[in-house]
Amino acid sequence: LAKTTQPISMDSYEGQEVNITCSHNNIATNDYITWYQQFPSQGPRFIIQGYKTKVTNEVASLFIPADRKSSTLSLPRVSLSDTAVYYCLVGDPDDKIIFGKGTRLHILP
Amino acid sequence: DTGVSQDPRHKITKRGQNVTFRCDPISEHNRLYWYRQTLGQGPEFLTYFQNEAQLEKSRLLSDRFSAERPKGSFSTLEIQRTEQGDSAMYLCASSPFRGPPGEQYFGPGTRLTVT
Repeated sequence: LAKTTQPISMDSYEGQEVNITCSHNNIATNDYITWYQQFPSQGPRFIIQGYKTKVTNEVASLFIPADRKSSTLSLPRVSLSDTAVYYCLVGDPDDKIIFGKGTRLHILP
Repeated sequence: DTGVSQDPRHKITKRGQNVTFRCDPISEHNRLYWYRQTLGQGPEFLTYFQNEAQLEKSRLLSDRFSAERPKGSFSTLEIQRTEQGDSAMYLCASSPFRGPPGEQYFGPGTRLTVT
């Protein structure tokens, strides 16, 4: 299982675009990159997943460079309700997922 | 609501007592996972089932912990002789066997406090 490194915390303001970068230098060929969001006292919620290049859904975009050694979660025009912990996970889709400590994103008014 | 449900949501128990938690996954989800989360940490994998078969257990799951999924539907997690270090949020998640890879649906969790 590839280890991931992401910032412990980030602050941003409402209406801004937020980019959270995750490093995963030892990513394996079969590994996917998955991001989860967790609010206090709730279970994590799947946000987005990708293997390479760019993936976009109604919530976020995920940018993955060609070497796949890092990835960037992009949240467009954040609001106060986007304050949460964001986890970057890397692993084989048929294997268990391993959570790190995540990035605590704090959105300011 | 057809999401993952967990019962109870909160449990306070005295050290040495046994506790049991229940998880009802999304119907037709073959895979069911248990995690434990302490304050400031990400969820830690405990075990997972595919249908009724328990396929993997973490070393975190000591002999005091046991999980079952008898009919491949709901699951229970039992902790015997609880210790204060067992205080945590216990999360359950489910996923379809042939669903999007790595996408798990989490329940709200059961918060355990051992006094």
